[in-house]
Amino acid sequence: DVKVTQSSRYLVKRTGEKVFLECVQDMDHENMFWYRQDPGLGLRLIYFSYDVKMKEKGDIPEGYSVSREKKERFSLILESASTNQTSMYLCASSSYDTQYFGPGTRLTVL
Amino acid sequence: AQSVTQLDSQVPVFEEAPVELRCNYSSSVSVYLFWYVQYPNQGLQLLLKYLSGSTLVESINGFEAEFNKSQTSFHLRKPSVHISDTAEYFCAVSGVGGGSQGNLIFGKGTKLSVKP
Repeated sequence: DVKVTQSSRYLVKRTGEKVFLECVQDMDHENMFWYRQDPGLGLRLIYFSYDVKMKEKGDIPEGYSVSREKKERFSLILESASTNQTSMYLCASSSYDTQYFGPGTRLTVL
Repeated sequence: AQSVTQLDSQVPVFEEAPVELRCNYSSSVSVYLFWYVQYPNQGLQLLLKYLSGSTLVESINGFEAEFNKSQTSFHLRKPSVHISDTAEYFCAVSGVGGGSQGNLIFGKGTKLSVKP
């Protein structure tokens, strides 16, 4: 079975803090993705990566950056957290046609 | 570019009743189609997918969806729902080939609420 893990299920941070969300997959997938999920808006793509050290902006990259130093790990970074970044963050990986998701991190920024 | 419309944001049904969750898409290229399910406080799980071949696809827990190219639809159906099917369901599409291979476009989700 494909396994995608995320470092935290729940996270509470303060405005202005630097926040790291980690995602690890164990299936040697080339592609990894970060989404945020908000009620009524569905899932929106923040960043994705097709290979190590490679990244592409998604639909809402503002306020975020990413890092992919190893194939199995894809990190999402909030440089200076703001209250409007309170959300559910979902990581996914895929090899070709199907994305597999982690359990999500519910981030609250106070 | 692709887009997905889930026509109902909420669908309440009684246990053992049939249900249909509607999904329409638009795309200028061939597509792959997916339904994902999200139970409360969990990530998304793949329910079923259409890649090619038979237009009717089934999941292990009794859901099915039919790819209708002429109507650009991929509606999800179950003949008899259970309380445990209460969840949010997301329809998604990806274009076949091209630089965005594997990128999914999601609908806004349909909350299925099964009542006893």
